Amino acid sequence: DAGITQSPRHKVTETGTPVTLRCHQTENHRYMYWYRQDPGHGLRLIHYSYGVKDTDKGEVSDGYSVSRSKTEDFLLTLESATSSQTSVYFCAISETEGNNYGYTFGSGTRLTVV
Amino acid sequence: QKEVEQNSGPLSVPEGAIASLNCTYSDRGSQSFFWYRQYSGKSPELIMFIYSNGDKEDGRFTAQLNKASQYVSLLIRDSQPSDSATYLCAVNNAGNMLTFGGGTRLMVKP
Repeated sequence: DAGITQSPRHKVTETGTPVTLRCHQTENHRYMYWYRQDPGHGLRLIHYSYGVKDTDKGEVSDGYSVSRSKTEDFLLTLESATSSQTSVYFCAISETEGNNYGYTFGSGTRLTVV
Repeated sequence: QKEVEQNSGPLSVPEGAIASLNCTYSDRGSQSFFWYRQYSGKSPELIMFIYSNGDKEDGRFTAQLNKASQYVSLLIRDSQPSDSATYLCAVNNAGNMLTFGGGTRLMVKP
C-alpha cells in the first residue's frame, strides 16, 4: 500500500456519533475513491473525487459526505453513524480518468458501530 | 444497474492444477477489465488488466476476454497454496468508474 494511507485502521463508535475517516496519498493522483466492502455485496462506491473540491456521489452515498481540500487528502464523514454502516472502508486512487491502470487501494478501515 | 457477476465459490483446486475464475458483465460499453486478488483481512491488489479480445499472459496468470459474450476469465497455472484468496473482477462503466463483482474465493489444497 505504498503511497496511500488510511486512518484509523480500526474504530468502534456509538450509534448517532459523527465519524471521519482519512485517506492520504503521496502519489499526486487526481482521482480518489471511497468504497465499502460487506459480505454478499462486494465493493460498493460511496463517493469519489476528480480533483480538489470536486466530488460526486457513488451508488451508496446516503449518510456519507466527503471533502477534498488538498490533492493528497480525501475525507469520508459519517454524519450520524448507524449500525448499517458497520463495514470495512477502502480508499483507492487512480492516475487517469479512464482507469487504464486500475485502482490502488489503501489498507482499509474496519469500522464498527455499536 | 450495471452488474458484474462472479460465482462466490469456494473454488477448490489441488496444488499444481489450473484454476479457472470466471466473470460476466452487463455493460456492453465497458472497455477495461481488471482482476484483483484479496487475501483475508487485506486490501485488493491488482494482478491483471486486459482491454482487447483474446488472451493476455503474465507469468502463471492468463486473462481472457470475450466482449461478444461479455465474459472475462482468469486462469492460474500451477496453482500454489499462496494463491488461496478471493479474486475480484472489475469492469469500467459508462462513468469510467470501476464496478466490482462479489469475488470468487479460491482454495488451493496442498
